[in-house]
Amino acid sequence: NAGVTQTPKFQVLKTGQSMTLQCAQDMNHEYMSWYRQDPGMGLRLIHYSVGAGITDQGEVPNGYNVSRSTTEDFPLRLLSAAPSQTSVYFCASSPRAGGTGELFFGEGSRLTVL
Amino acid sequence: KQEVTQIPAALSVPEGENLVLNCSFTDSAIYNLQWFRQDPGKGLTSLLLIQSSQREQTSGRLNASLDKSSGRSTLYIAASQPGDSATYLCAVNYSGGGADGLTFGKGTHLIIQP
Repeated sequence: NAGVTQTPKFQVLKTGQSMTLQCAQDMNHEYMSWYRQDPGMGLRLIHYSVGAGITDQGEVPNGYNVSRSTTEDFPLRLLSAAPSQTSVYFCASSPRAGGTGELFFGEGSRLTVL
Repeated sequence: KQEVTQIPAALSVPEGENLVLNCSFTDSAIYNLQWFRQDPGKGLTSLLLIQSSQREQTSGRLNASLDKSSGRSTLYIAASQPGDSATYLCAVNYSGGGADGLTFGKGTHLIIQP
């Protein structure tokens, strides 16, 4: 079982560059979300989706875009990378549409912005 | 803003000991609470999910309790093993929070000495 798959695992960007972090799940979960994890800050929600075609902002959405064209995929786009976006990014999914069920995480994407 | 606090931030104990990790939250109106394990460089793995109507959940050597009135949850690990070394995080899904994610504590870094 693949579960939640994130790519790439590591990425280095220069300030101003754009990129997309990919997230795919094979569990047919309606709910998907993106978190960032920073030392001393814990995990913070960036964006989430309760189903295909529906997305919403979390606690720290600025500088990030998402879309949900299929149930399986939930990519996170950085439009113009900034050093403050250096972090570890986690994608998570849940079988309950409201995200109130058990949460399954990917292994993370470590991003460094120079 | 809702807060989740985990004490201690770090804990080191000899193998074989029983131990308790603590989690406190500021608002008792929770929907559920989850305990996660995170290994270095890895994603989060869900250990136990306690619904607001439950008092405890057990899985193998792990037992999680929930006391909403006092705003506390504990994770009890019996007969600790070196393989239990990891960071343990608790996360609360508030009744009013809906789909916009969990509120995470910053974790307890646990080391089990062989």
